Amino acid sequence: GAGVSQSPRYKVAKRGQDVALRCDPISGHVSLFWYQQALGQGPEFLTYFQNEAQLDKSGLPSDRFFAERPEGSVSTLKIQRTQQEDSAVYLCASSLRATNEKLFFGSGTQLSVL
Amino acid sequence: GQNIDQPTEMTATEGAIVQINCTYQTSGFNGLFWYQQHAGEAPTFLSYNVLDGLEEKGRFSSFLSRSKGYSYLLLKELQMKDSASYLCAAPPYYGGSQGNLIFGKGTKLSVKP
Repeated sequence: GAGVSQSPRYKVAKRGQDVALRCDPISGHVSLFWYQQALGQGPEFLTYFQNEAQLDKSGLPSDRFFAERPEGSVSTLKIQRTQQEDSAVYLCASSLRATNEKLFFGSGTQLSVL
Repeated sequence: GQNIDQPTEMTATEGAIVQINCTYQTSGFNGLFWYQQHAGEAPTFLSYNVLDGLEEKGRFSSFLSRSKGYSYLLLKELQMKDSASYLCAAPPYYGGSQGNLIFGKGTKLSVKP
């Protein structure tokens, strides 16, 4: 597609449930990033992939959060045993190269944990 | 520490000029970004400054002073569609993970008729 695609757009989960959020970056983009954005806040970095390699996962808040990009294109962010504080918008972004350059963001997945 | 500060909210009138300030403190410097985010939508790239000075791009301009740890976004001839949050962002340190941007909380700009 022309842009970064994320699915689902909205996800409601019961506390304790596992969820999987999908990101389809722009074709050919080397770098892929996940951010978490709480209401009224700026995005906060979670993790970064260069192709299939996860080079930085310093922002993942706990071991319940796991991300993968096995073939260097589509990525999945998995959250196990969701808790209410996980409620946020999860943004995926990609960039063409691994150098410092602009990010193209998807519209995000809004996760609500009840 | 690593910190990005910008005002929470601003209001301006259609047709006017508004300046949104951003101060940053990072362990190194590797450029400063501005993004625009309409409510419920994805952030979109506006500008990237790595050298001191003003860069103009249509109605939007961005200024950087590395020695002062300061940047601003200047919006001219404001339109109603400019109502959005404006996010200032910078990598936390030179040579770090390029996507690990630290974002400010965003400045919510309301443009009134």
